[in-house]
Amino acid sequence: GEDVEQSLFLSVREGDSSVINCTYTDSSSTYLYWYKQEPGAGLQLLTYIFSNMDMKQDQRLTVLLNKKDKHLSLRIADTQTGDSAIYFCAEMYSSASKIIFGSGTRLSIRP
Amino acid sequence: NAGVTQTPKFQVLKTGQSMTLQCAQDMNHNSMYWYRQDPGMGLRLIYYSASEGTTDKGEVPNGYNVSRLNKREFSLRLESAAPSQTSVYFCASLDRATNQPQHFGDGTRLSIL
Repeated sequence: GEDVEQSLFLSVREGDSSVINCTYTDSSSTYLYWYKQEPGAGLQLLTYIFSNMDMKQDQRLTVLLNKKDKHLSLRIADTQTGDSAIYFCAEMYSSASKIIFGSGTRLSIRP
Repeated sequence: NAGVTQTPKFQVLKTGQSMTLQCAQDMNHNSMYWYRQDPGMGLRLIYYSASEGTTDKGEVPNGYNVSRLNKREFSLRLESAAPSQTSVYFCASLDRATNQPQHFGDGTRLSIL
């Protein structure tokens, strides 16, 4: 079936790196996305990766894709208090134009 | 530079009332989507429209209907609202030709009493 799974919570110390993990089921998915949602706000696209890539880096963000294990991760370097939010992983099903979201990982930053 | 516009932003309904949530995009995208987000949960796909003239069910379509009025507009209708439909509703659009990421509206907060 169609499913995207994430752990619900992650707590990191300010200045450390955060790694948020995601697993998905559709091996034919073409694009995988990371969105950020702050309290009371909509979804903000952070980054995305094509399925033919293994890694993508964008400033403090690094996305790693392991297609064999259907595993996607988002690494945030030098985590700051402004990074506190819920992070959603999503995959696009190429066969049906659908985009399915994970349940989100709540990232909290401790001093 | 509007992107995806949803109206209204907030609404309170009584059980059994009907309502249509409006969504419009000005990016000439061919695919549009309706999601609901419940506290502590991710986004669940209600319906989507891969292109003008087509609509398909998502994960949680029961209790909803949609209309792809034209390429710009995709509305979501609750015929007889129920408390279980209290949620935040997000509309999104996507250009399938380029597969650029979805653009989201700011959401509609709907409460059913």
